[in-house]
Amino acid sequence: DAGVIQSPRHEVTEMGQEVTLRCKPISGHNSLFWYRQTMMRGLELLIYFNNNVPIDDSGMPEDRFSAKMPNASFSTLKIQPSEPRDSAVYFCASSLAMDPRETQYFGPGTRLLVL
Amino acid sequence: GENVEQHPSTLSVQEGDSAVIKCTYSDSASNYFPWYKQELGKRPQLIIDIRSNVGEKKDQRIAVTLNKTAKHFSLHITETQPEDSAVYFCAATGSARQLTFGSGTQLTVLP
Repeated sequence: DAGVIQSPRHEVTEMGQEVTLRCKPISGHNSLFWYRQTMMRGLELLIYFNNNVPIDDSGMPEDRFSAKMPNASFSTLKIQPSEPRDSAVYFCASSLAMDPRETQYFGPGTRLLVL
Repeated sequence: GENVEQHPSTLSVQEGDSAVIKCTYSDSASNYFPWYKQELGKRPQLIIDIRSNVGEKKDQRIAVTLNKTAKHFSLHITETQPEDSAVYFCAATGSARQLTFGSGTQLTVLP
């Protein structure tokens, strides 16, 4: 198995532009998580899905952020419009089930820089 | 919600010595405590975990201990090696039943 796949690996954009991050979870995993990692705030859970349904988006910082999971093998995290403070590494992770005791497998991350 | 405090933020040890990282949590409902290792520029990866019905768990050079009464848990690495150098994150579940991560510990093993 290729593991969790994220694209792009690096993204540089200008303030105000729309950014779309993509994730393909491990086949057979029913839960998908989006995290943001910064030096100041560490690893923060933004949103997670179970069986393609968003369960908790309370970690999404504001309305500029949105996430979708149209099917079991694909999810997107969109930022519109982007701001410099959105610069971070965004990780997608998946697990077999929503039970937090199931190991979460992280993707390689997308390093986002908003100028 | 759950709050996880992790100490120290940086730790340097000589190769072969032991390293200990400590975390405290706030939500008494937490029942699962994983530890992740993140090498520079890489993804976090689970290295060991412990559940609330167990006080200690060991896997080769790595061990975790849990004190539910005091709400703290620790990672112990013995006989440290240069490849142990990384950032280590503790995490805990809470009433929301999702992981809350600590702020991380940068471990440097000096040759």
